[in-house]
This record gives sequence, structure tokens and C-alpha cells, in this order.
Amino acid sequence: EAGVTQFPSHSVIEKGQTVTLRCDPISGHDNLYWYRRVMGKEIKFLLHFVKESKQDESGMPNNRFLAERTGGTYSTLKVQPAELEDSGVYFCASSSSSYEQYFGPGTRLTVT
Amino acid sequence: KNEVEQSPQNLTAQEGEFITINCSYSVGISALHWLQQHPGGGIVSLFMLSSGKKKHGRLIATINIQEKHSSLHITASHPRDSAVYICAPTGGSQGNLIFGKGTKLSVKP
Repeated sequence: EAGVTQFPSHSVIEKGQTVTLRCDPISGHDNLYWYRRVMGKEIKFLLHFVKESKQDESGMPNNRFLAERTGGTYSTLKVQPAELEDSGVYFCASSSSSYEQYFGPGTRLTVT
Repeated sequence: KNEVEQSPQNLTAQEGEFITINCSYSVGISALHWLQQHPGGGIVSLFMLSSGKKKHGRLIATINIQEKHSSLHITASHPRDSAVYICAPTGGSQGNLIFGKGTKLSVKP
């Protein structure tokens, strides 16, 4: 069974540009979570999808971040326009109803 | 005060030593994950537990829900156990995790 995959693994963009991160969860997992770790801080929750619906987006930092999960399969997280403080590692995780979460390898975002 | 406190923050051990990492949390939870993050960044879920004790190979995790405390033990530690270990209770009603800052473990041969 394939695990959670994320693309790209690393992205370097300039301030003001747009970046889209993608997460493919484990097949059949209805729950999909986005987290991020910024430099020197602990990992923080961003949002949670159940199928295609946003169940909890209380962790999204501001309206420059837009997450979608059309069709309830893969998810995208767009940052537009990117700011320096958005640099960090963005993790995606998925779970079935048991809530045990399986993590992707992360996308390292560097905004210069 | 952080919702999740881990101790120690850094730990250096000699190969073969028994290791304990502690986690205290202040939020009400339904379950707690122990995660491992290697240099290079990928996160692996070691355990999810909601009561008692779980064992997987040389790893043992325990949780006391009443005391809001969990521990991760590594028996017969090995240099390949060197990683950051993160305690992450499920804080939200829908399972989103609240992360500790992690414990950086270095096991010397």
C-alpha cells in the first residue's frame, strides 16, 4: 500500500510569488490534515478535511492560504502571495476513522 | 505554558542504555501519538494510544489519562534510534494533533 506522498519535496520561491503544495493521502483515508513547522518552533495544525469538506481550519494563519480537496482525494495548499514567514516544512497526514495518522515526507518551502 | 511539555529536550545516551522520554499535556484528549522524525525530516508514527501500554520491538509507550502523562521508553538503545521524538495528543474533536517541541535523542556507539 502506498503511503502519503507530497509534492514537491522542496520549493524555493521569492516573496510575493505563489506556490501550490500537493498531498496525496493513503487511498481510502477520509481524513486529511495539513501541518507546518516553521524554524525553531513546534509543528502546528493548519486544517483538517473529511473527504472534500473542511472540518476544521482554525489553524490557517491568514487568507493568503487556501486549501482544497476536490473530489475527496488529493489536496492542495496554495500560498498566495508568499511571505518570508511562510518558510518552513509543510506536512500532510491522513487517517481512516481510527484517527491513527500517517504522515507524508513533507514539503520544505523557502521564501526568499 | 505550552499545552504539551516534553522532557528532556535533548538527550545523549550510550548504545545499550535504557531511555525514557516524558510527555505531559494539559488538554483533554482521546488519544496520543508518539512520532519519530529523522534528520531529513520525514515523520513516522510510532504509536497511537489512548490507555495503558503498547510495545513494538524495543519501543514501549505508556499513558496515564488521569495524570495527563505519557512516556516513551527505548530498551537497548542503538545509534539508529537517534532522531527527534515528538509527543502529539489529539487536541481537537476531529483528531488534529497538538505537538510537543520534541526530544532530540543522540545515541553514541
